[in-house]
Amino acid sequence: ETGVTQTPRHLVMGMTNKKSLKCEQHLGHNAMYWYKQSAKKPLELMFVYNFKEQTENNSVPSRFSPECPNSSHLFLHLHTLQPEDSALYLCASSPLGDLLYEQYFGPGTRLTVT
Amino acid sequence: GQSLEQPSEVTAVEGAIVQINCTYQTSGFYGLSWYQQHDGGAPTFLSYNALDGLEETGRFSSFLSRSDSYGYLLLQELQMKDSASYFCAVRNNQGGKLIFGQGTELSVKP
Repeated sequence: ETGVTQTPRHLVMGMTNKKSLKCEQHLGHNAMYWYKQSAKKPLELMFVYNFKEQTENNSVPSRFSPECPNSSHLFLHLHTLQPEDSALYLCASSPLGDLLYEQYFGPGTRLTVT
Repeated sequence: GQSLEQPSEVTAVEGAIVQINCTYQTSGFYGLSWYQQHDGGAPTFLSYNALDGLEETGRFSSFLSRSDSYGYLLLQELQMKDSASYFCAVRNNQGGKLIFGQGTELSVKP
C-alpha cells in the first residue's frame, strides 16, 4: 500500500458530463500532484500543489479544474471533456515540493470519455 | 527543446543483469530519478541521482554522468517480478516541469 488512494478507479463519462476525481494521502506530505498517463506516452505533469497552493499548471486546458482544500486531499474536476482526454490519471504526493524527491503515487483513475 | 530517450523494450532472463539507459537534453539539470510501474499499478520510486556516480540500493543501482547527459538503471539477479515499465525523469534547475521518458518495458523470461 502506498498511502495514496484515488477514487473512482474507473470512470466512463460522456463529453457533456461533469465528474470529479478524488485523491487522498495519508502520509502527512505537503505537496500533491496530478499526472496524465496516456498509452505509449510519457507521464505528463498537470498540476502541483504545495501547502494547498497551486504552484504549477503545465498549460492544462480549462476543462480540467483542480482543487486542493487541504494538504491531504486533491480533486480534479472534469467537464466537457474530449475523447483524447481518455487516459490514466495519477495522483502523487511528496514530503517537499521538489519533484525529484521520492513521490508516492496512487493507483490511478482509468478515465474513458465517450 | 527538452527530451529524454530510453529504449522502448528490453528482454532478459531470470538471474541475469540488465541495464536500462537514459539520455537527456534539458536547459540546466537538477537530477535524475527512476520509477518502476507494473502493468495496471502505480509508479513507485526507485532512485535519485543528483551527483555523478553510482547509487546502490539492493539489487538495483543507478548511475549518472552529468557531463555526458546520461544515466542508467542497473538491475541485478533479475526476478520474474521485475517485469515492469521503468521510467527515467528529469527536472531542470530553472523552474521547468518534470519530464518523464517514455518508459522501458522490461520482460524477464524464465
